[in-house]
Amino acid sequence: QITLKESGPTLVKPTQTLTLTCMFSGFPFSSNKVGVGWVRQTPEKALEWLAVIYWGGDKRYSPSLESRLTITRDTSKNEVVLTMTNMDPVDTATYYCVISTLGAWGQGALVTVSS
Amino acid sequence: DVVMTQSPLSLSVTLGQPASFSCRSSETLLYRDGNTYLNWFHQRPGQSPRRLIHLVSERDSGVSERFSGSGSGTDFTLKISRVEAEDVGIYYCMQGTHWPGYTFGQGTKLEIK
Repeated sequence: QITLKESGPTLVKPTQTLTLTCMFSGFPFSSNKVGVGWVRQTPEKALEWLAVIYWGGDKRYSPSLESRLTITRDTSKNEVVLTMTNMDPVDTATYYCVISTLGAWGQGALVTVSS
Repeated sequence: DVVMTQSPLSLSVTLGQPASFSCRSSETLLYRDGNTYLNWFHQRPGQSPRRLIHLVSERDSGVSERFSGSGSGTDFTLKISRVEAEDVGIYYCMQGTHWPGYTFGQGTKLEIK
């Protein structure tokens, strides 16, 4: 059974950097076709794909957010970390960790950006 | 960027009746490998989205046969043959053909009449 679980702060201030961690299990992160990524959902329920990292280290980012995003992995810990710089109130959302095919999602982590 | 447009934005259906969701993309979703990377997701209130359909018409494991996907190119449809109470929520289409980045439709909210 594939499981993904997000962790990180629930509140960040404007201009700060957000760091979210995804712990995953139940699938072999050992193929270049398998990856772990992030999707966020605004309070208005719009979904936005953010980034993905594959076993071989290949990374893809949303073009509109690429300058602010960094995705990394620690295969020994089965963890993927997403950082987003210069946070703004419009970045308030639930952030989901997902398998790259989007066939499995974590429970989501609500992040509020406010001073 | 590829824009995904869903219609209607909300749908009210009587239990046991069919429901239909439309999704249109601004560019063809047919990829050079011959596949069309169009997915459908369902999100119940308070839950994470769950994928129902991939590659236009392939049901995910455990998804009821009441759900079916169809379409090609830029026009796609998700149908529920007989709506049940557990089907309420928001339905999203998503394209995975044009990289970088998947793009989602704005969602269609299904409620029971």
